Amino acid sequence: QVQLVQSGAEVKKPGASVKVSCKASGYTFTSYDINWVRQATGQGLEWMGWMNPNSGNTGYAQKFQGRVTMTRNTSISTAYMELSSLRSEDTAVYYCARGPGSGWEFDYWGQGTLVTVSS
Amino acid sequence: SYELTQPPSVSVSPGQTARITCSGDALPKQYAYWYQQKPGQAPVLVIYKDSERPSGIPERFSGSSSGTTVTLTISGVQAEDEADYYCQSADSSGTMGVFGGGTKLTVL
Repeated sequence: QVQLVQSGAEVKKPGASVKVSCKASGYTFTSYDINWVRQATGQGLEWMGWMNPNSGNTGYAQKFQGRVTMTRNTSISTAYMELSSLRSEDTAVYYCARGPGSGWEFDYWGQGTLVTVSS
Repeated sequence: SYELTQPPSVSVSPGQTARITCSGDALPKQYAYWYQQKPGQAPVLVIYKDSERPSGIPERFSGSSSGTTVTLTISGVQAEDEADYYCQSADSSGTMGVFGGGTKLTVL
C-alpha cells in the first residue's frame, strides 16, 4: 500500500534551518510529484511547493521563494524539504503529499512533522 | 497572490444537506479539489477535478462547479462528517497551488 512516512518532530532556534524527510513506499517514487503543505496550529492549510522526483524540477510558492529547497534521493525513494532562516511564524506541522503531476489532487499524505521554532 | 474564499463555518442537523462554497477567479480554468480534515489527522481527498469522487469516499459527498464558484455538497450529513473542509486549486497559470481558508462543518 502507498505510504509516505515523515521524519520526527524538530525544535529549532530562530535563524536556523530545518530539513524534513518524506520516505515513499508502495508505488514508483519517480512517477508522482511530491508537494509540501504546512499548517500552523489552529490555522488552515498552506501550499509551499512541489517537486518532480524524476527530473528534480521544483516550483515554490512565492511566499517561500529563497527560503525553501525541495530535493530528493531516488535511490531511497525519499523527498526532502529544507526551510531556512526560520522564525516563530514557521512553527507548524509540515506535510508531504503525493500529487499526479498533471493535476493537483493530493491522494496520499504523510503523517506530518511538527517543527517548532523557539528561542 | 491568488486566493480561494470559503465561509468560515457551516452548521447542519444530521440528515440534512450541507453545502460549502469556494470562490476564486481562476476556477473557470482550473479544477477544484476538496479535502476533509479531522483534528490531529492529515487531510483526506474527498473530491477531485470538481466532481469526481475517489474510491472509498461515500456517495453522499459530491462536487459541482459554476463559473468562479465550486461547491462541495454532503447529502444526508452524519455526525462523522463533522470536520474542517478545504478547497484547493491552482492559479491561472496552473503552476502554483492554493488552498482556501477552510470551512468548519458542525453537525448539530
